Amino acid sequence: IAGITQAPTSQILAAGRRMTLRCTQDMRHNAMYWYRQDLGLGLRLIHYSNTAGTTGKGEVPDGYSVSRANTDDFPLTLASAVPSQTSVYFCASSSGEGNEQFFGPGTRLTVL
Amino acid sequence: GEDVEQSLFLSVREGDSSVINCTYTDSSSTYLYWYKQEPGAGLQLLTYIFSNMDMKQDQRLTVLLNKKDKHLSLRIADTQTGDSAIYFCAEGRGSARQLTFGSGTQLTVLP
Repeated sequence: IAGITQAPTSQILAAGRRMTLRCTQDMRHNAMYWYRQDLGLGLRLIHYSNTAGTTGKGEVPDGYSVSRANTDDFPLTLASAVPSQTSVYFCASSSGEGNEQFFGPGTRLTVL
Repeated sequence: GEDVEQSLFLSVREGDSSVINCTYTDSSSTYLYWYKQEPGAGLQLLTYIFSNMDMKQDQRLTVLLNKKDKHLSLRIADTQTGDSAIYFCAEGRGSARQLTFGSGTQLTVLP
C-alpha cells in the first residue's frame, strides 16, 4: 500500500526554469491538495481539487498551476521558478468527508 | 497561517504532561485538527474534533475546544521522548475541507 507518493524527493532548480512536481495517490480519494512549508509559517495551501476535473486556488496560488485529469494524479507546475519558491512541498489527499488529510513525504525544492 | 496562532516552542520533562495551545479566528470552521510532524517527514493526523464538541480523549491525547474564545488545546499525558516533534493545529473550512495551519509548536521532551 503506497498511499501518496511524491516525486522528486528533492530538486535544485535554476531560476526561470519550468518544473513539475508529481503527486499520485492510490486511495481513490476525491480531494487533493498542495501545500508549501516554510520555516515559521507552517503549511500554506497553494491549490486544491475537490474531484477530478476541478481545481481551486488556495492561500498562495501565484506562480503555480495544477491540473486534475484523473482521480489519482495531481501535478503542481512552476512555469518559471523564482528563488522565493524555495520550499518543501507537500501533497495531500482526503476522502472529502472532512476527517483526515493524508500527506505525502514531501519534495524539497531549491531555486537558485 | 495568520488566522491560526500557536506558540513556537515548548519543553517538558519526560513523564510530565504537555499542553499545546492554539487560537483560531474563523467561527465557521467545522473541524479542528492536530497534526504531528517528525523531522524530515510529512504530517500525520493525531486527532480532530468537531466544532460542536467540547472535548475529545484518545488514549494519551486530550483535545479541549473553547468555541467562545476560539481556543484549542492538545494535552499529551505521560510525555515520552518519542513525542518530540512539531505539532500543528489546523482549521478546516470550505467544500473540500481546505486546511489553514498554524505555524507549529516544536515540542522538546527532556530526559
